[in-house]
Amino acid sequence: QVQLVQSGTEVKESGASVKLSCKTSGYIFTTYSVHWVRQAPGQGLEWMGLISPSDGSRSNAQNLQGRVTLTRDLSSTTVYMELSSLRSEDTAMYFCARDFGNYIFDNWGQGTLVTVSS
Amino acid sequence: DIQLTQSPSFLSASVGDRVTMTCRASQGISLYLAWYQQKPGKAPKLLISAASTLQGGVPSRFSGSGSGTEFTLTISSLQPEDFASYYCQQLQSYPPTFGGGTKVEIK
Repeated sequence: QVQLVQSGTEVKESGASVKLSCKTSGYIFTTYSVHWVRQAPGQGLEWMGLISPSDGSRSNAQNLQGRVTLTRDLSSTTVYMELSSLRSEDTAMYFCARDFGNYIFDNWGQGTLVTVSS
Repeated sequence: DIQLTQSPSFLSASVGDRVTMTCRASQGISLYLAWYQQKPGKAPKLLISAASTLQGGVPSRFSGSGSGTEFTLTISSLQPEDFASYYCQQLQSYPPTFGGGTKVEIK
């Protein structure tokens, strides 16, 4: 079955960087894009960016431009999201999600909690 | 970016109630809308795509309707496991955007 398994909780200081992983399985990795979505405590869902594993092409939300780097490793079918220059407002649960097509997110990772302390 | 406005933000209801929530888009998105359910501490779960297409395994008490700028998610008879937050998402154009959510609480 399709699975996306994310790395564990992170606690970082303001100004640092964090790199999260999303290990996929159960489908052909290069067929579907993977997106990242975050959710601040008690808030709604915010789309962050996407990567196409087939060619590594990526795109990020404009408000995160320059701070988000998405990469993938074909050998381990894993997608990575690195967020730099962390600030307190980056404290959130971060999810990866498979794009079934037309931005329909049919499978999600369990989420990774990132806490940024000042 | 296309903005989505969900109403109400909070909804208090009892088991067995018929529940309806709305998602309005800032511009026409045809049928390019999805609905997700999210329970506390969990990832969102896809319920409906293309405004009204129920995903496999989703109970038939859930239904979606609408097109253009106004969409509705209805739960025909609320069950205990349905108490959660619900989010709409537009699929029409980049970047994909979400509504602010409707939280369904127990009355």
